Amino acid sequence: QVQLVQSGAEVKKPGASVKVSCKASGYTFSTYNIHWVRQAPGQRLEWMGWIAAGNGYTKYSQKFQGRVTISRDTSATTVYMELSSLTSEDTAAYYCARDLYSGGWYPYFQNWGQGTLVTVSS
Amino acid sequence: QSVLTQPPSASGTPGQRVTISCSGSSSDIRGNNIHWYQQLPGTAPKLLMYNNIQRPSGVPDRFSGSKSGTSASLAISGLQSEDEADYWCAAWDDSLNGMIFGGGTKVTVL
Repeated sequence: QVQLVQSGAEVKKPGASVKVSCKASGYTFSTYNIHWVRQAPGQRLEWMGWIAAGNGYTKYSQKFQGRVTISRDTSATTVYMELSSLTSEDTAAYYCARDLYSGGWYPYFQNWGQGTLVTVSS
Repeated sequence: QSVLTQPPSASGTPGQRVTISCSGSSSDIRGNNIHWYQQLPGTAPKLLMYNNIQRPSGVPDRFSGSKSGTSASLAISGLQSEDEADYWCAAWDDSLNGMIFGGGTKVTVL
């Protein structure tokens, strides 16, 4: 079955960077897009960007452009999301999520990682 | 800034029908499809509806979606206690060239 397993919780100081991983299994990794969505406590979901796991093409939300980098390691079937220049407003649960279908643009997500809590505190 | 607007809360008794609205603008809802997610506390969202009216496998047909113009709705018929959750609408926004989510609706089963 499809699984997306994320790395564990992180505590970071303001100004630092965080890199969250998302290990995919149960499907052909290179044929699906992976997105990152975050959710601050009590807030709405917020889309950060996506990567085409096959060719590594990325697209980021304007809000995070310049501060976020999404990458992948095809041999490890793992996608990474790195966010820099952290502030307390970046304290949130970060989720990876997979397009429902492969081989195209299907940005609705049936499979999600379990979430990674990133806490930014001095 | 593009925003999808949902009522913050909705409620009903078991067996009732509850409807959640999601309103947007011409750059998001009108020209694009709406998707709905259900989120239980402390868990990742679950895809409930995609492309306005399509249910993923495993989602009961008590859930239905619709879209007209710059508004969309999710209806829950035969409300059950397990439907108590947060519900989020989502759409691609052409002006932002990114996905946007609504503010969420908390459904309470009385």
